[in-house]
Amino acid sequence: AQSVTQLGSHVSVSEGALVLLRCNYSSSVPPYLFWYVQYPNQGLQLLLKYTTGATLVKGINGFEAEFKKSETSFHLTKPSAHMSDAAEYFCAATSGTYKYIFGTGTRLKVLA
Amino acid sequence: EAQVTQNPRYLITVTGKKLTVTCSQNMNHEYMSWYRQDPGLGLRQIYYSMNVEVTDKGDVPEGYKVSRKEKRNFPLILESPSPNQTSLYFCASSARQGANYGYTFGSGTRLTVV
Repeated sequence: AQSVTQLGSHVSVSEGALVLLRCNYSSSVPPYLFWYVQYPNQGLQLLLKYTTGATLVKGINGFEAEFKKSETSFHLTKPSAHMSDAAEYFCAATSGTYKYIFGTGTRLKVLA
Repeated sequence: EAQVTQNPRYLITVTGKKLTVTCSQNMNHEYMSWYRQDPGLGLRQIYYSMNVEVTDKGDVPEGYKVSRKEKRNFPLILESPSPNQTSLYFCASSARQGANYGYTFGSGTRLTVV
């Protein structure tokens, strides 16, 4: 069965510091992986996705994620946090069917 | 503008009073889905639809109904709401099933059942 685990329900970083949000998946087949961002009182917005090909994926707002099959991970990073990055982030996976599995989310706080 | 529109954004209702949350997309997407979001549980799928007149249960379908009579619309129906259905609901659509296509989400409907 497929599952997605996000380590840390809350992460705090200083403005300008590295952002690292962790996501691990379990799947019996190669997954397609996504990161979404949710700003307060809004729906989820696609940040980036991995389907096939290059394992380092670049998304919007300076975020990127690397698919590491050996570690079953898809961690989200950004070199320098900005106040506007404060939001909740969700990792999601699908094996290519209609079934998406979402992680429980990580709330990012950016400290001035 | 390409979007998924949900209405209403906020709704307070009483136990047992039937309600419908509407969802409409203007992108000609085949696939639509409803999720509920609860603290600590992430998003859980309620129902999904692969195309007109084709729907199926997700992980938490109990107490909900859906219909897909037109490609653009996918309403969520609560025939007899209960307090445990108090949640934040999202409708989402995608151009193709799973795989390469991420979702476009609506802005959400916050439902309170008292």
